[in-house]
Amino acid sequence: EVQLVQSGAEVKKPGESLKISCKGSGYTFTNYWIGWVRQMPGKGLECMGIIYPGDSDTRYSPSFQGQVTISVDKSVSTAYLQWSSLKASDTAMYYCARRGSAFPIWGQGTMVTVSS
Amino acid sequence: SYVLTQPPSVSVAPGQTARITCGGNKIGSKSVHWYRQKPGQAPVLVVSDDSDRPSGIPERFSGSNSGNTATLTISSVEAGDEADYHCQVWDIISDHYVFGTGTKVTVL
Repeated sequence: EVQLVQSGAEVKKPGESLKISCKGSGYTFTNYWIGWVRQMPGKGLECMGIIYPGDSDTRYSPSFQGQVTISVDKSVSTAYLQWSSLKASDTAMYYCARRGSAFPIWGQGTMVTVSS
Repeated sequence: SYVLTQPPSVSVAPGQTARITCGGNKIGSKSVHWYRQKPGQAPVLVVSDDSDRPSGIPERFSGSNSGNTATLTISSVEAGDEADYHCQVWDIISDHYVFGTGTKVTVL
């Protein structure tokens, strides 16, 4: 079964760093782009960027360029999303998704709460 | 950047047809994908590339795309169709994915 499994919920303070993960299984991880999608409470979906695990080619959406870092470790079939200094406005659900022409496969989501 | 506009809400009686629009400049020249998202769950792809249904999605779900509007049509609506629906395109100019504003479908 093709699936993406994300790391668990996080509660952090403003200014802290964070790295969340998305592990792929059931398919050749290096052959498909992985995207990260943000959903703020009560709001719509926003694509943050995508990465190709085969060569780590990364494309950031303009709103997220410089705000987060997307990376991948092929050896463990895992993609990552990280922040160096969290803000309260980063509080959201974060999803990873495998790209076909659309995003047919999604992780279960990681809730990130940033609060002092 | 490219903007996709959806109505905030659509209400429909059981057994009737729901139509959810997604407006964008010359969207007919792009491939549109649609996702259903129930509360507390991850999105699920229901239509890809304007009108293709992934395996497991009922024939009641169909899509069309022309001019400046794409439409997701849900026929014979059931209570289980109540959810948020999001459209999505790949904006080749800015080289990234764009989602619509989302539409909440309420089954009366």
